[in-house]
Amino acid sequence: AQTVTQSQPEMSVQEAETVTLSCTYDTSESDYYLFWYKQPPSRQMILVIRQEAYKQQNATENRFSVNFQKAAKSFSLKISDSQLGDAAMYFCAYRGNFGNEKLTFGTGTRLTIIP
Amino acid sequence: NAGVTQTPKFQVLKTGQSMTLQCAQDMNHEYMSWYRQDPGMGLRLIHYSVGAGITDQGEVPNGYNVSRSTTEDFPLRLLSAAPSQTSVYFCASSYRVSQYTDTQYFGPGTRLTVL
Repeated sequence: AQTVTQSQPEMSVQEAETVTLSCTYDTSESDYYLFWYKQPPSRQMILVIRQEAYKQQNATENRFSVNFQKAAKSFSLKISDSQLGDAAMYFCAYRGNFGNEKLTFGTGTRLTIIP
Repeated sequence: NAGVTQTPKFQVLKTGQSMTLQCAQDMNHEYMSWYRQDPGMGLRLIHYSVGAGITDQGEVPNGYNVSRSTTEDFPLRLLSAAPSQTSVYFCASSYRVSQYTDTQYFGPGTRLTVL
């Protein structure tokens, strides 16, 4: 079974600075998908970024980028120019390929933005 | 296009009562799933469905039933509520196309308290 580990329960960063959230996973599959979801106090789960394992290029969405290291099974999220609205719980998630679409989540990292 | 909707947003039950959490999506997604979120444990999969008439168990299925009679709806039934089922429940859906797995989109969640 796949597992996802987020070893940083809490992180904090000064506004406008850069922060990196860590995620590691364990799988025996070669094709899979990785996601970062943001959960603000409203509780809504919001997709931040996704990465297909077959793509070598790291995904980027505006201020959010990932460092995907397939051999090391590592998938970290970098937030540049942190803003107050980035404060939230961040969850890393793994999804297998067609036929194994279940999402497996990590336990989350609570990110605090310091004004 | 309302996306994924869940009702109710909040519910309080007494031990032993039964109830159904409703989930609906208007995106013609084949894949639907239910998760529960507990403090410090991320989101855990309860049940999922890959299409109308097809359901399967996830990681924590005990005490819950599901059915999928239409593509749009995927209700979650609590048979006899227990305090251990106090949690926040999320419904999610996605497309499911051979050789391509799409992102799962989440509903706003239902906060359930069992006394």
